[in-house]
Amino acid sequence: DQQVKQNSPSLSVQEGRISILNCDYTNSMFDYFLWYKKYPAEGPTFLISISSIKDKNEDGRFTVFLNKSAKHLSLHIVPSQPGDSAVYFCAASAEGANNLFFGTGTRLTVIP
Amino acid sequence: DGGITQSPKYLFRKEGQNVTLSCEQNLNHDAMYWYRQDPGQGLRLIYYSQIVNDFQKGDIAEGYSVSREKKESFPLTVTSAQKNPTAFYLCASSIVDNSYEQYFGPGTRLTVT
Repeated sequence: DQQVKQNSPSLSVQEGRISILNCDYTNSMFDYFLWYKKYPAEGPTFLISISSIKDKNEDGRFTVFLNKSAKHLSLHIVPSQPGDSAVYFCAASAEGANNLFFGTGTRLTVIP
Repeated sequence: DGGITQSPKYLFRKEGQNVTLSCEQNLNHDAMYWYRQDPGQGLRLIYYSQIVNDFQKGDIAEGYSVSREKKESFPLTVTSAQKNPTAFYLCASSIVDNSYEQYFGPGTRLTVT
C-alpha cells in the first residue's frame, strides 16, 4: 500500500515559469517530509525538507508547502530552469522510524 | 571527495545465481540503507544498518541478505530466493541522528535472465 503518492508522473513547464509538484500521504504519523531530485543514472539528492510543525519552508528558488489537514505537500520551483529537469521524489518519515517512505516520482521537464 | 560509491553500475546474472552488490561510503556515516526501485514505484527499503555488525529488515527483505563488518561498507546479496531480482538498487547513508536526510549512491541496475 503506497503511503506516499505522487499522482502526476510527468510535468512540463516553460523556462521562467513556476513548477508545482504535488504529493499526498496517508499516514497521519508522518512528521517530516522531504523532496529529492534525481538525474538519470545518478542517485537521488536531497533538495529540501519540512517538519510537520511548519507549513512552509523556503530555500532559494525552492519552496515546500505542507497542508497537514489535507495530508498534502507541494514543491514550488520559481523560476524554473532547464537544469531543473529531473525526477522529483517526495518522501516522508515518522518520528522514531528508521526509514523513509518514497512516492513514485514526478518527471519534470523545463522547456527552454 | 566524500560520497557513496556503488559498483558495478550494470550487472547481469543468470537466474539461480547469487549476486553481491557493493556499497562503500567515506562520509563517516553510521547508518546505511539499501533500497530497490522498480518502474512506476517509489524506492522501497530492503535492509538498513545503524551500526557495525547490526542490521534490520526493511519492507521487502525476503530474498536478500546483508552484512556490516565495516562502517564504510554495506554489501547487499541478492539470493536465488528473490523472485523478481531485476531492478535498480540504491544504497544510501546518513548520520544516525538524522536518518531523514540520506545521501544516495549512483545505483546498480541488476538484470537477471
